[in-house]
Amino acid sequence: AQSVTQPDIHITVSEGASLELRCNYSYGATPYLFWYVQSPGQGLQLLLKYFSGDTLVQGIKGFEAEFKRSQSSFNLRKPSVHWSDAAEYFCAVGAFAGAGNMLTFGGGTRLMVKP
Amino acid sequence: NAGVTQTPKFRVLKTGQSMTLLCAQDMNHEYMYWYRQDPGMGLRLIHYSVGEGTTAKGEVPDGYNVSRLKKQNFLLGLESAAPSQTSVYFCASKLDHYEQYFGPGTRLTVT
Repeated sequence: AQSVTQPDIHITVSEGASLELRCNYSYGATPYLFWYVQSPGQGLQLLLKYFSGDTLVQGIKGFEAEFKRSQSSFNLRKPSVHWSDAAEYFCAVGAFAGAGNMLTFGGGTRLMVKP
Repeated sequence: NAGVTQTPKFRVLKTGQSMTLLCAQDMNHEYMYWYRQDPGMGLRLIHYSVGEGTTAKGEVPDGYNVSRLKKQNFLLGLESAAPSQTSVYFCASKLDHYEQYFGPGTRLTVT
């Protein structure tokens, strides 16, 4: 069965500082990987996805993530955080095969941004 | 193009009452999903559907039923609500292997 771990429940960074959110997954085959962002009281919005190819993927709002197969990781990064980035971030792993093409989500990381 | 919509947005139920949550999508997506979100637990899959007329159980299906009579709608029912079902419920849909698109959520409180 697939699983996702986001080790950091809360992270606080200063505005303008760099950010890295960690995501580790467990899956027996080639996964496809996602990062979603959820602002308070809102649904989830896709930031970026990895299916295959270049292991460094670019997303919206200046985010990027790097797939490292050897470390089973898909960490999210941003070089300079803005106050509007304060939100909860979810990493998810899915499979190309299997019933329902289901996603498994991590527990989320809540990002706070200090002025 | 409204994407994925959910009704209602908020609801308070008493223990033992029943209700139905409606999810609608206008993107002609085949797959639809119901999740619940609880603090620190991410999103957990309740039920899903791979096409009109089909449904299947997810990770936490107990206490819920679903129906997909029309391709664009996916209904989630609670027959006898319990306080443990207090949560935020999200519907999502997708086309084949692509990303899931999420609705805005329904906040349900069971007292």
